[in-house]
Amino acid sequence: DIVMTQSPDSLAMSLGERATINCKSSQSVLYSSNNKNYLAWYQQKPGQPPKLLIYWASTRESGVPDRFSGSGSGTDFTLTITSLQAEDVAFYYCHQYYQSPFTFGQGTKLEI
Amino acid sequence: QVQLQESGPGLVKPSETLSLSCSVSDGFISNYACSWIRQSAGKGLEYIGRIYPNGRTDSNPSLKTRVTMSVDPSKMQFSLTLSSVTAADTAIYYCARVFPGVGPLDYWGPGILVTVSS
Repeated sequence: DIVMTQSPDSLAMSLGERATINCKSSQSVLYSSNNKNYLAWYQQKPGQPPKLLIYWASTRESGVPDRFSGSGSGTDFTLTITSLQAEDVAFYYCHQYYQSPFTFGQGTKLEI
Repeated sequence: QVQLQESGPGLVKPSETLSLSCSVSDGFISNYACSWIRQSAGKGLEYIGRIYPNGRTDSNPSLKTRVTMSVDPSKMQFSLTLSSVTAADTAIYYCARVFPGVGPLDYWGPGILVTVSS
């Protein structure tokens, strides 16, 4: 199985600041034939299901504010949230859909 | 509008079989795969398996011998059964739509809490 490891486990920030969450996969999730990274990011608020934010490592899902961005390739990825808002308080998860069983990171709790 | 809704018993006894349904909106079943994910305090988000429009299934090897997935187009429902449950199977169970092809999960149901207890 591909193990996804996020860091940090939790993050305490202030309004307006920039948050960075890292995700490392135990093997590359870059598919060479199409040069796509099979990596997604989700946001989960209490009592709600995860919400897709980013896919293909850097493509923002429709309707997601441009404060959210994803970067990285191969085994190392980053979710960046600029100009933090109160509504960004949530857990964030990375997810590899390169190889079954499709796995998730352990989550990062963002507090403001 | 894409909709998914899980349903089933919220309480299952140990050693019995957990059965859940996922009702989906029109057009879903013939065009998209449905993935089952569960979330527990101990194991975070865990992939259970998925079923593709052609009926092909893929399951997590850790659960494979206990998992069955199916689809009923006439009812617009996907189904999941998990046999021989234990307390470790207590979790929130989600069904989610797979982005076209082998993709991420772009729409999720609200989830259903299933507790395994006598």
